[in-house]
Amino acid sequence: GDSVTQMEGPVTLSEEAFLTINCTYTATGYPSLFWYVQYPGEGLQLLLKATKADDKGSNKGFEATYRKETTSFHLEKGSVQVSDSAVYFCALSVNSGYALNFGKGTSLLVTP
Amino acid sequence: EAGVTQSPTHLIKTRGQQATLRCSPISGHTSVYWYQQALGLGLQFLLWYDEGEERNRGNFPPRFSGRQFPNYSSELNVNALELEDSALYLCASSTTGTRRSYEQYFGPGTRLTVT
Repeated sequence: GDSVTQMEGPVTLSEEAFLTINCTYTATGYPSLFWYVQYPGEGLQLLLKATKADDKGSNKGFEATYRKETTSFHLEKGSVQVSDSAVYFCALSVNSGYALNFGKGTSLLVTP
Repeated sequence: EAGVTQSPTHLIKTRGQQATLRCSPISGHTSVYWYQQALGLGLQFLLWYDEGEERNRGNFPPRFSGRQFPNYSSELNVNALELEDSALYLCASSTTGTRRSYEQYFGPGTRLTVT
């Protein structure tokens, strides 16, 4: 079945460090891929998306490229801030059911 | 524009009782999804409603049910509550039709605690 695998956290970085959170997927067909962010005590916010191979999603300095050949959608940011501390979820959606299939989430802590 | 809203914010019930959670989608969205975020289990898809009909359901027992009203708001009902039903329940909405982009917008969630 369809699934998403994310790197285990927690990830602890110093402010202004480079961030990579790995995400790989298994899916039938051609899924759309998403990164969602969950700040403490809040619901999920859509961070970025890509709907076809080689698409690059970007938002708030975060980027991710849909790589069909490696079935990956890694999240990157060049310089993290303390305010980026949150849990990040990679997700996919395929045609049938339209439900989002989430990874387990990666907790990020950015220290000053 | 108002986002997805959920009520109540917190709900405390005892084992065996019933819980009712409510969700109002973004204006213009006709699809509503329910997810369970339980500690250690991640985000699990529960139910999908579109145009008043249940379109898909995740791997949950029948005591998890719901409905969608003509104004596209939705209710999630959990009967015969068990301790392991304690979780954050998230509602999401999206557009439908030929231009759907599959992205979903989430509400803040209802924290259900079963004692």
